[in-house]
Amino acid sequence: DIQMTQSPSTLSASVGDRVTITCRASDSVSGRTYNWLAWYQQTPGKPPKLLINQASSLETGVPSRFSGSGSGTEFTLTISSLQPDDFATYYCQQYKTYPWTFGQGTKVEIK
Amino acid sequence: QITLKESGPTLLKATQTLTLTCTFSGFSSTTSGVVVAWIRQPPGKALDWLAVLEWNDDVRYNPSLNNRLTITRDPSSNQVVLSLTNVDPMDTGTYYCAHRLLWRGMDVWGQGTTVTVSS
Repeated sequence: DIQMTQSPSTLSASVGDRVTITCRASDSVSGRTYNWLAWYQQTPGKPPKLLINQASSLETGVPSRFSGSGSGTEFTLTISSLQPDDFATYYCQQYKTYPWTFGQGTKVEIK
Repeated sequence: QITLKESGPTLLKATQTLTLTCTFSGFSSTTSGVVVAWIRQPPGKALDWLAVLEWNDDVRYNPSLNNRLTITRDPSSNQVVLSLTNVDPMDTGTYYCAHRLLWRGMDVWGQGTTVTVSS
């Protein structure tokens, strides 16, 4: 199984801050054409929401302050200017090989 | 517009079989590249992938569930059914079904259904 490790587990930040979350895979999740890595946002009591496909492709309707980068085994999710709606838990997920695996989550809290 | 909705029992006893139904609209589960996935989330914990049913009838399961899972399709009613045998209190959590197409992540999720297993 490919293990996904996110850091930090918790992040305290203020509105307007730039925030970066890291996701490391135990094996490469990149292929010849695609990076099989997604980022999701989850708020309490709600299902996850897909933010980013293919490590860096923003889903339609997701604000441009969110961005993703990386390849191989190291990926980052960046929020350029944190907004009140962004206080949530973020998960990375690889879907290159089965079993699909998620990171343990990064909770972004209000500082 | 794609929608998915999970349904099933909210309370079970240990050793029973959990059967959950994902009823969807806005897509066909047999269209090339479509995958319907099940994911669960124990209270306060991370997401855990359970199983997928691909458009071509391929199925994949999380091996950590030790062959307790079965996923099937009912195309006549736009439903995908997940069964989990011999449940345990550790199976308590919120269960989600989700849609995925081709190279994308899981782009549409159901609202989730909460299951509690008592001992």
